[in-house]
Amino acid sequence: NAGVTQTPKFQVLKTGQSMTLQCAQDMNHEYMSWYRQDPGMGLRLIHYSVGAGITDQGEVPNGYNVSRSTTEDFPLRLLSAAPSQTSVYFCASSGQGLQYNSPLHFGNGTRLTVT
Amino acid sequence: GIQVEQSPPDLILQEGANSTLRCNFSDSVNNLQWFHQNPWGQLINLFYIPSGTKQNGRLSATTVATERYSLLYISSSQTTDSGVYFCAGSSRNDYKLSFGAGTTVTVRA
Repeated sequence: NAGVTQTPKFQVLKTGQSMTLQCAQDMNHEYMSWYRQDPGMGLRLIHYSVGAGITDQGEVPNGYNVSRSTTEDFPLRLLSAAPSQTSVYFCASSGQGLQYNSPLHFGNGTRLTVT
Repeated sequence: GIQVEQSPPDLILQEGANSTLRCNFSDSVNNLQWFHQNPWGQLINLFYIPSGTKQNGRLSATTVATERYSLLYISSSQTTDSGVYFCAGSSRNDYKLSFGAGTTVTVRA
């Protein structure tokens, strides 16, 4: 199993450009989520999904869209990139959601710079 | 979501030393996890521990759910233990896992 795979690893955007960060997992996990990590602020939840067709907002959802058409994939879309979105983005998944004994597994992250 | 406080923010250890990291929660948690972020940025799940005590090699964790805190113990620290340790939690019926700001551990040879 590859686990949680994120692409690309690095990306540089100009202000106003759009892009999609890809996330795929091969563990048949129901729960998937996106976090951003900024220095000194830990990880902050952007969006999450408890199954195909179901998504919800996290702590910092503005400027980001998600969809969950399949169990495996959970892409994160930046509609119009802003310098404030410069961050490291992590995708994570969990087998039975957060309500059961199922640890969260992270991808290796995408480092995004918006100039 | 719940608020998570971690202490200390930074910890410098000599190789072989023991240490304790603490995590406090603003509300009762149904889900509590500890993670290690290595110097290359990878996040590894260490423990899923909403209550009780677990051990994995030189690491162990204890959660006292009624008092809303969890402790992570590192014994006989090694340089490979360096990195940032995060705890995270969510309350019952909440799918939002909240992270603390982390404890940066530096182990010197």
